[in-house]
Amino acid sequence: QQQVKQSPQSLIVQKGGISIINCAYENTAFDYFPWYQQFPGKGPALLIAIRPDVSEKKEGRFTISFNKSAKQFSLHIMDSQPGDSATYFCAARRSGGYQKVTFGIGTKLQVIP
Amino acid sequence: GAVVSQHPSWVICKSGTSVKIECRSLDFQATTMFWYRQFPKQSLMLMATSNEGSKATYEQGVEKDKFLINHASLTLSTLTVTSAHPEDSSFYICSAPGLAEQETQYFGPGTRLLVL
Repeated sequence: QQQVKQSPQSLIVQKGGISIINCAYENTAFDYFPWYQQFPGKGPALLIAIRPDVSEKKEGRFTISFNKSAKQFSLHIMDSQPGDSATYFCAARRSGGYQKVTFGIGTKLQVIP
Repeated sequence: GAVVSQHPSWVICKSGTSVKIECRSLDFQATTMFWYRQFPKQSLMLMATSNEGSKATYEQGVEKDKFLINHASLTLSTLTVTSAHPEDSSFYICSAPGLAEQETQYFGPGTRLLVL
């Protein structure tokens, strides 16, 4: 059972464009939603995270939008750059650093010049 | 931010041998660490939760005797793949929650295992 559904699985965006990745979750016990960026051959790195008590969080060019009633959240990458080309994973977890993380399937983003 | 290291970064071994992978928290203590497995172009699948001073908790379907986990200290967890077979070839990644900011998990760089 896939608890965190992510789409699309691959995405090609032109440089300067907006990249949008969507995720949906089922378990209402989740209350922490991080996004991770992974480059080939490397471990994932935390990009940005949100709690369900806010509807939007922005850090630089990266924005998370959160819709608690729909149990959906999305990542927007503004002014996408070739250096943003990586695989992005949405994730969900119960509150508390020691809780295990459930990952989405991943989205491979390619930003073309 | 906190740093998690893994050693080795890649390893090639013969079928039937055992391989040990180390996961270290370099500048913080971690009573809990997580071990993941990632196949090419796939997501991370949690294998087990490593607990310092006690037995690891394995996810459903993960063979405990196949993947031995030892969390001997507050900064070191090891994963031993016993009697490795080609189907064990994968990318193994560990993570640890930071203490200063407990909502964040820090991931290691991963270990690529190839079993011939």
